[in-house]
Formats: sequence, structure tokens, C-alpha cells
Amino acid sequence: GAGVSQSPSNKVTEKGKDVELRCDPISGHTALYWYRQSLGQGLEFLIYFQGNSAPDKSGLPSDRFSAERTGGSVSTLTIQRTQQEDSAVYLCASSLFSEQYFGPGTRLTVT
Amino acid sequence: KQEVTQIPAALSVPEGENLVLNCSFTDSAIYNLQWFRQDPGKGLTSLLLIQSSQREQTSGRLNASLDKSSGRSTLYIAASQPGDSATYLCAVEETSGSRLTFGEGTQLTVNP
Repeated sequence: GAGVSQSPSNKVTEKGKDVELRCDPISGHTALYWYRQSLGQGLEFLIYFQGNSAPDKSGLPSDRFSAERTGGSVSTLTIQRTQQEDSAVYLCASSLFSEQYFGPGTRLTVT
Repeated sequence: KQEVTQIPAALSVPEGENLVLNCSFTDSAIYNLQWFRQDPGKGLTSLLLIQSSQREQTSGRLNASLDKSSGRSTLYIAASQPGDSATYLCAVEETSGSRLTFGEGTQLTVNP
């Protein structure tokens, strides 16, 4: 079956621009996670959605970052006024119980 | 705050060797531990998930063990192959369905 998909695979943007990253989870998975992987920081949690519950936003690094999940399926991570330190690979994962399945990631480069 | 450490950071071995990757975590109150593989420029592939009540899991040439009380896990790879070359990451989940906390990974190179 289809795995987690993310788009775009690569995004280059100028400092100060807004970007949107998309995640399509595995069909039927109720939980969706966003992580960020950057050089020197490893993999860090950003935000977590579970069903209709309020999302856990505790990992978002600043108020320039936001995410939403529409209809309990597709999620969009938005970064406003991008900065060079936002350059990283953004990974999305979904799960039904505990095991998390990851997408291929979006590589964001802020110039 | 949970911290996950992986040793070694990098490992280079000749093909055919058996090898062990180590993972330690500071808070033993975990729900499960997951081992992942990451190929360059790719996402994460789940290898093995060990529930906190389990001691080990096996898949093919891979065996992962968990000693929750001491905060340690090992990933054993038997008869390594060049195709095993990748970065191996361990991650712990503290409660069911919560975030994963990752280690920095072990970069493995298996030479033909």
C-alpha cells in the first residue's frame, strides 16, 4: 500500500518568504507527526496531531511555525518569514498505534 | 528530559563481520524503542520496534535487545553486507502515541 508522501521533495526559498510543506499520511492512520533534521541538531520533534484532539505544539521553535491537519488526513506545515537557520529536512510520520512510518522528507534551503 | 545517545558515531567494517550498535537513554520509563535506518537523502525506514515489556526482537539478520532498567538497547547485525551501509537511528517513545526522541545515529559503512 501507499506510504507517507511529502511534497515538494526540495524547496529553495529566499530569506523572508513564507513556505508551505505538505504531508499525506498513510490512509487510516490517526496520528501525524512533524520532525526536523538539521546538521548538528539531529532529529527533533515539531508537532503532533492525534485524531480530533488539540495538537501538541510543544516542539515548534518559534511562532513563525504553524501546522494544520484538515479532515484528519493531509497536513500542512507553514513557515513564515523564513530564516537561514530554518534550512533543514522536514520529515512527516504517521501511525495507527505506536510504530511510526516516515515519509521521504522535504529538503528546505533558505538563501 | 529524555536524552538518547548512540555509540559509536561512525563505524567502518569489512563485509561479513557481525557488529553491534549501541543506544542508551536517560529515562527508563519508556513505552517502546524503535530502530530506524536512513539512507543518504532519504527518509527513515523502520527496522524493529521493541515494546517496553519485551527483551528483544528479530528480523532476518537483525536482532535488537532492550534492557529497560539500565536504559540500553543494542542492534546486532549478522554477516554484514555492503547494502547495510546507512545511518542507524534509535528512538524512544515515552508514552503510547507520543513523540519520538532520537539519538544522533551511527553511520555504518560496510566495505566489499
